[in-house]
Amino acid sequence: GAGVSQTPSNKVTEKGKYVELRCDPISGHTALYWYRQSLGQGPEFLIYFQGTGAADDSGLPNDRFFAVRPEGSVSTLKIQRTERGDSAVYLCASSFGTGGDGGELFFGEGSRLTVL
Amino acid sequence: SQKIEQNSEALNIQEGKTATLTCNYTNYSPAYLQWYRQDPGRGPVFLLLIRENEKEKRKERLKVTFDTTLKQSLFHITASQPADSATYLCALNDYKLSFGAGTTVTVRA
Repeated sequence: GAGVSQTPSNKVTEKGKYVELRCDPISGHTALYWYRQSLGQGPEFLIYFQGTGAADDSGLPNDRFFAVRPEGSVSTLKIQRTERGDSAVYLCASSFGTGGDGGELFFGEGSRLTVL
Repeated sequence: SQKIEQNSEALNIQEGKTATLTCNYTNYSPAYLQWYRQDPGRGPVFLLLIRENEKEKRKERLKVTFDTTLKQSLFHITASQPADSATYLCALNDYKLSFGAGTTVTVRA
């Protein structure tokens, strides 16, 4: 596709449930990022993939959060045992290079997660 | 600890005036700094990048400065228009991009 695609755009779930959020990056982009954004805040880094491997997962808040990118393209962010505090917009971004070389990030429109 | 601070107050300006936004950082040594625009309900969109050895960068009505001694970047929107109303985010690299909280700009017609 032309841009970064994220699904679902909206997800409402109950506390304790499992959730998967999907990101389809721009074709050819090797770097993929997940950020979380709460109301009135900037995007907060979660995890960064270079190819298939997680180059940096230091932003994942705890072990309930996990992300994969098995073939170096589509990525899935997985949240187990969701809590109300997980409610936020989850943004995915991709780029040609890495954060270290100044490559601009192309963001998707985000997946809004609401945990009741 | 590392911090990126942007204007805490929203900016409300008259059409045609210049909006000036600040981005201050501590405990970073960024090789470059980026500015993004974010509209409500949308993902951020890249606007400009400035490198540590560049003092100033321009793109149409936008101007960015970068002072690594002061650890500050200024972002200017000249001849502002209502369509410029949005939240503007600065971002620094330390091999991943870290974002400030953003400054919301409203341009009145």
